[in-house]
Amino acid sequence: DTGVSQDPRHKITKRGQNVTFRCDPISEHNRLYWYRQTLGQGPEFLTYFQNEAQLEKSRLLSDRFSAERPKGSFSTLEIQRTEQGDSAMYLCASSHPGQQETQYFGPGTRLLVL
Amino acid sequence: QQQVKQSPQSLIVQKGGISIINCAYENTAFDYFPWYQQFPGKGPALLIAIRPDVSEKKEGRFTISFNKSAKQFSLHIMDSQPGDSATYFCAAISTPDSWGKLQFGAGTQVVVTP
Repeated sequence: DTGVSQDPRHKITKRGQNVTFRCDPISEHNRLYWYRQTLGQGPEFLTYFQNEAQLEKSRLLSDRFSAERPKGSFSTLEIQRTEQGDSAMYLCASSHPGQQETQYFGPGTRLLVL
Repeated sequence: QQQVKQSPQSLIVQKGGISIINCAYENTAFDYFPWYQQFPGKGPALLIAIRPDVSEKKEGRFTISFNKSAKQFSLHIMDSQPGDSATYFCAAISTPDSWGKLQFGAGTQVVVTP
């Protein structure tokens, strides 16, 4: 499979629980991005990695959110003490070193916090 | 504060007709303008993109028109087909200094009737 993959595709959790999402970028893509998309809106940037380094974080990313990309390959996004306002689609994208402006998105993880 | 404004919010077009979606931006540092297509439950897929040194770009039935002085760009879908029914997002990025942070419009839901 040559596309960006995300796991799980759907997650239902209760308020206050922790959740973790995984993203596997396209092979040889050194940049990896996380976006959040709420219903009826465009994706909003959360954070970005170049290889294993996290280079930018949006102010949307509160202290309850943490992202890692330990070996410059897959990435995880963890939300601690989830709130109902965290309910959204979490999208991962990656881009190739030779064409950084072209981002390829995964299918997303749909989170519902009850 | 949305940096890319998109209109209309939704549109209905008959099969064979032309769908036109408009976007406007303020940041003159933007230098890459992609359009993404998103189907329900899926991640956004890159459709076509343009740089500001070109006024028009055509790929199949999809055409981007770009007006640098007006800071506006638009997507034209010619000979619209029912399979084109999706949500379309315009986006913009300043490649030298934004670390790959795409700024998305709010989206246009296109419905093509048979």
